[in-house]
Amino acid sequence: EVQLVESGGGLVQPGRSLKFSCAASGFTFSDYAMAWVRQAPKKGLEWVATIIYDGSSTYYRDSVKGRFTISRDNAKSTLYLQMDSLRSEDTATYYCARTTTGWYFDFWGPGTMVTVSS
Amino acid sequence: DIQMTQSPSFLSASVGDRVTINCKASQNINKYLDWYQQKLGEAPKLLIYNTNSLHTGIPSRFSGSGSGTDFTLTISSLQPEDVATYFCLQHNSGYTFGAGTKLELK
Repeated sequence: EVQLVESGGGLVQPGRSLKFSCAASGFTFSDYAMAWVRQAPKKGLEWVATIIYDGSSTYYRDSVKGRFTISRDNAKSTLYLQMDSLRSEDTATYYCARTTTGWYFDFWGPGTMVTVSS
Repeated sequence: DIQMTQSPSFLSASVGDRVTINCKASQNINKYLDWYQQKLGEAPKLLIYNTNSLHTGIPSRFSGSGSGTDFTLTISSLQPEDVATYFCLQHNSGYTFGAGTKLELK
């Protein structure tokens, strides 16, 4: 059974940093691209970043380029998101999502909440 | 950037009803349109990918259709467990989600 479990969210002040992770199991992690998708409170979903299977290429939405870094450790089957220079508009639930070869998201974790507030 | 216009934003229907939800893309996205179901407090769940392919384990009452810019999710006979918010996602060029359709029982 595919399982994705995010951890490490929390309350952080504007301008500070936060790094959280997504532990994967039930599939060969190194075979799949992975993504982060977020959902602000009572809002729609928004793609944040994608990393390909071996970590050699990454992609970001414009509003987080230069502030967020997606990475992975295939030996630990874990995906990460390092978020720097956080803004209030980054407040959201962050989901990790497995990405198929067809570039859609087939399995999602339950999400971790990040609140950026002073 | 591709914009996705989803309608209706809210839908109330009875058990057994046929329900349709629409997504319109601002430009041609070929077949690269997916549908997700999100129940309150849960992660999104893939229902349909690439317009009309049913994801593993999804009941056959869910189906998708369309091409180019106009796409439809159909629930052939609404069940109580289908109460949720439904999102479309285009992955033809980057990723853009629709704003969502909240489906409730009448």
